Amino acid sequence: SAVISQKPSRDICQRGTSLTIQCQVDSQVTMMFWYRQQPGQSLTLIATANQGSEATYESGFVIDKFPISRPNLTFSTLTVSNMSPEDSSIYLCSVGSGHYEQYFGPGTRLTVT
Amino acid sequence: RKEVEQDPGPFNVPEGATVAFNCTYSNSASQSFFWYRQDCRKEPKLLMSVYSSGNEDGRFTAQLNRASQYISLLIRDSKLSDSATYLCVGDYGGATNKLIFGTGTLLAVQP
Repeated sequence: SAVISQKPSRDICQRGTSLTIQCQVDSQVTMMFWYRQQPGQSLTLIATANQGSEATYESGFVIDKFPISRPNLTFSTLTVSNMSPEDSSIYLCSVGSGHYEQYFGPGTRLTVT
Repeated sequence: RKEVEQDPGPFNVPEGATVAFNCTYSNSASQSFFWYRQDCRKEPKLLMSVYSSGNEDGRFTAQLNRASQYISLLIRDSKLSDSATYLCVGDYGGATNKLIFGTGTLLAVQP
């Protein structure tokens, strides 16, 4: 499976600011996804990051709050904008294979104060 | 609404025990299912894929019953290192490649 890295691994941010999370894959992949995992909960899909076009967002998530870039087949960013304490969570990127399996990056642990 | 439901546990079992986790799904269009393992403060890691009626890998056996929309994971001869949260996952159906995650079942294997 692909090797996936995320930066930063963790951050503490003040409310009202924005944070951009980077996801780098060591090989070209077609499918990339961004998830959120709030404390004690399972994973919730934020959006599918599409290369060369706008991301596809799930219900409850909007581009103004979570802008996503996917400039090529190995890299994507997720920005958490105008943060509030409710945005404190782990943010994970994943890559998809041809058989629906997904492999996850190590995650970014965000705390908003 | 597309959901995957699991017993959250915790399941506390002694080393060497056999433990089974159950999972139900509501999306009849789902074709592919997975069990992921998530250690504390780590990312989920793929444990098993289940495309047909079942799959076996060493001490781990997954079974799928499409008629009942039910998936199970059996762990034999539990090890301390099996302690983790086990996530039951199904696909959305169609060509989206999106996955639906259950809330996870916590397993604690005791010495």
